[in-house]
Amino acid sequence: DQQVKQNSPSLSVQEGRISILNCDYTNSMFDYFLWYKKYPAEGPTFLISISSIKDKNEDGRFTVFLNKSAKHLSLHIVPSQPGDSAVYFCAASEERAAGNKLTFGGGTRVLVKP
Amino acid sequence: GAGVSQSPRYKVAKRGQDVALRCDPISGHVSLFWYQQALGQGPEFLTYFQNEAQLDKSGLPSDRFFAERPEGSVSTLKIQRTQQEDSAVYLCASSRLAGGFQETQYFGPGTRLLVL
Repeated sequence: DQQVKQNSPSLSVQEGRISILNCDYTNSMFDYFLWYKKYPAEGPTFLISISSIKDKNEDGRFTVFLNKSAKHLSLHIVPSQPGDSAVYFCAASEERAAGNKLTFGGGTRVLVKP
Repeated sequence: GAGVSQSPRYKVAKRGQDVALRCDPISGHVSLFWYQQALGQGPEFLTYFQNEAQLDKSGLPSDRFFAERPEGSVSTLKIQRTQQEDSAVYLCASSRLAGGFQETQYFGPGTRLLVL
């Protein structure tokens, strides 16, 4: 039972345009959401996060939107750059005494064309 | 400062062999996590340490998997009698504080294990 889903396995976008990545979750106990970026042969790198008390968080070219009622979040990258080409993972966690383990989606591979 | 490091980066094992994977977290980080990432999938949680205490091992797939962090810093994930389905990238992550906070986890580069 996948609690976090990224339904688009891949996305191709022109340099300078917007990239929109989507993520859906089923566990209503999740209260913290993160996006990680992964290059081949490297570990995931933290990109941006959002707490469940917010509906938007912005950091430079990256904005994450959270719609709790729909259990949906999205990552917007504007403008997209060739260096953004990577696999992006959505992750979620809930506050627990025994560690806030992350539950990941399956990833979306983004290709930004020059 | 130094990030999370893992060794070896690549490991090839014959089916039935035991393997040990090492993780050096960011200095001073209290929390340490192990994840398993199968090809084409997202990472899946294996186990969690708060200092030297293993507080959650609910994700370990079988009793062939064992993890330790005896002094609250370096951690080792051991897999006994490896099977082909153990082939995956094993990721270690650390975070500064103990569980219960909305903390960012910082990942190492992973160990790619191939069981033949």
